[in-house]
Amino acid sequence: GQQVMQIPQYQHVQEGEDFTTYCNSSTTLSNIQWYKQRPGGHPVFLIQLVKSGEVKKQKRLTFQFGEAKKNSSLHITATQTTDVGTYFCAGGSSYGGATNKLIFGTGTLLAVQP
Amino acid sequence: DTGVSQNPRHKITKRGQNVTFRCDPISEHNRLYWYRQTLGQGPEFLTYFQNEAQLEKSRLLSDRFSAERPKGSFSTLEIQRTEQGDSAMYLCASSLGGGRITEAFFGQGTRLTVV
Repeated sequence: GQQVMQIPQYQHVQEGEDFTTYCNSSTTLSNIQWYKQRPGGHPVFLIQLVKSGEVKKQKRLTFQFGEAKKNSSLHITATQTTDVGTYFCAGGSSYGGATNKLIFGTGTLLAVQP
Repeated sequence: DTGVSQNPRHKITKRGQNVTFRCDPISEHNRLYWYRQTLGQGPEFLTYFQNEAQLEKSRLLSDRFSAERPKGSFSTLEIQRTEQGDSAMYLCASSLGGGRITEAFFGQGTRLTVV
């Protein structure tokens, strides 16, 4: 079945350092979404990428979707303590021309030391 | 609060008992998803509905699991003859869907502990 892997599993940074997490799918995706889950919380939507090679920015966060639509990355510039949490990518799975479900990646836990 | 609501928030049950969870999605959302999440893992897809129709169910899901969404509104997830391996957070999410999937809104989850 379709698998979505993320690396690294865990990243510890000093506040102000940059952070990147990478997402790889075993199959071509129709779209990719990114979610953030704070400790003890539920996943919260950050962004969706649809087009091959697409790049989107949200303040200090930069999201990329690979040309082959099988990988993606999230880069955070100058991390802050509020960035702490687990970042999940979620690939859209297509069936019959429609994207029916999200397959979540394994997640990257980000710890930020003040 | 117009977000996704799940009840109960916590459930402790003895092995072998049946449990049922409820999810109330955002009212105008036609798609509803159930996921299961264990510590340190990403949400694992269980099943999803478009309106009242259950369109897909994970092959990983045993016959002890069943979900319904009568009238395309709230949904229930039942686990029969619970096992210790069923202990997890059960997450419900809803979204607007036609063709491409849109942003999914998650509920707070129901944490199940089987003792």
